[in-house]
Amino acid sequence: AQRVTQPEKLLSVFKGAPVELKCNYSYSGSPELFWYVQYSRQRLQLLLRHISRESIKGFTADLNKGETSFHLKKPFAQEEDSAMYYCALRGSNAGKSTFGDGTTLTVKP
Amino acid sequence: NAGVTQTPKFQVLKTGQSMTLQCAQDMNHEYMSWYRQDPGMGLRLIHYSVGAGITDQGEVPNGYNVSRSTTEDFPLRLLSAAPSQTSVYFCASSSSRGGGRTGELFFGEGSRLTVL
Repeated sequence: AQRVTQPEKLLSVFKGAPVELKCNYSYSGSPELFWYVQYSRQRLQLLLRHISRESIKGFTADLNKGETSFHLKKPFAQEEDSAMYYCALRGSNAGKSTFGDGTTLTVKP
Repeated sequence: NAGVTQTPKFQVLKTGQSMTLQCAQDMNHEYMSWYRQDPGMGLRLIHYSVGAGITDQGEVPNGYNVSRSTTEDFPLRLLSAAPSQTSVYFCASSSSRGGGRTGELFFGEGSRLTVL
């Protein structure tokens, strides 16, 4: 079975403050981990994936296999980062991705 | 390039009525899936398909049927709508042949369904 846990449903920070959205997973094999974002009135879209190890819009995420975590971080939050963020896992069944409950991030001016 | 197209965007049904949510993708993706999004519950997988003619159940399949007769289309059927099926439904597609975009889910805009 595969499971994704996002412990924070709501997260609020001030502009310029660091932000970390937590994601923990449970999977017996080697998963692929993703972060998706849903801005207001836009469709869900990929933010980043662990394989690429890149920074998108200032966000980074590192896969920690020992802690089974894939936390999303940004050193200086911007108001335009306000959105719903989902962590997702894709296992050996490539057609099946499992999502966490999502975290709504609000960045206050 | 339209990507993933869902119709309708909004629908109101009465309990017991049936309907079909349409989903089409033009990226030749082999994988397609349906999710429902409910407040506080994230995205839950209803059904998915790994290719034409092959479908399987996700986490919450009861009350829904799917079929995949072509690579492009993956309709979701509600057999007898219930108020518990009030939700926002998302169709998504992906591929294992996408190079740097392998495994990335491409989503439709969503269909908001209300069952009275």
